[in-house]
Amino acid sequence: KAGVTQTPRYLIKTRGQQVTLSCSPISGHRSVSWYQQTPGQGLQFLFEYFSETQRNKGNFPGRFSGRQFSNSRSEMNVSTLELGDSALYLCASSLEPESTDTQYFGPGTRLTVL
Amino acid sequence: GDSVTQMEGPVTLSEEAFLTINCTYTATGYPSLFWYVQYPGEGLQLLLKATKADDKGSNKGFEATYRKETTSFHLEKGSVQVSDSAVYFCALFSGSARQLTFGSGTQLTVLP
Repeated sequence: KAGVTQTPRYLIKTRGQQVTLSCSPISGHRSVSWYQQTPGQGLQFLFEYFSETQRNKGNFPGRFSGRQFSNSRSEMNVSTLELGDSALYLCASSLEPESTDTQYFGPGTRLTVL
Repeated sequence: GDSVTQMEGPVTLSEEAFLTINCTYTATGYPSLFWYVQYPGEGLQLLLKATKADDKGSNKGFEATYRKETTSFHLEKGSVQVSDSAVYFCALFSGSARQLTFGSGTQLTVLP
């Protein structure tokens, strides 16, 4: 079974631009979560989608948004990019958003903001 | 809120040495506990997990036991290999928060 895929793997943008990242979950998984990884803040939760609905959101500004499609694929968007948005963005999928379930991670999208 | 405190790194060991990476947590309810590993330039890979007290997770020679009384989930391996060099993350998932909460990560380097 194919794992979680994320595209693109690398992105370079300039301040003020916007960016869209894509995530395809493992087949049959309906929950998709997004995390930001930076050297200073570590791994931080962005949001979680289940059946096209945002079920949970982390402590990030409104410039960070996302959505999920009927096939469970998800996108996240960052508008008005800032230098501090440079990070590895990780997507994870699970069958259901339950505490005993395992989240499987993709390889990430490395975003660099210049 | 939920939190995970992980042993600070970096940790450098010789091949075949014993490994322990300490992890303690604070959470409401009964969280599930995980260890993830990250190799350079890659995402996170699940190493092992435990979903209830006294459960032992194990994989590839690594083990961790869910200790509710000490709120701990320490990672151990009896004999490390050079290929185990990576960053290790302890994490918890609680039903109330509905998200993974990660520790700060421990960089492990194993020398031949």
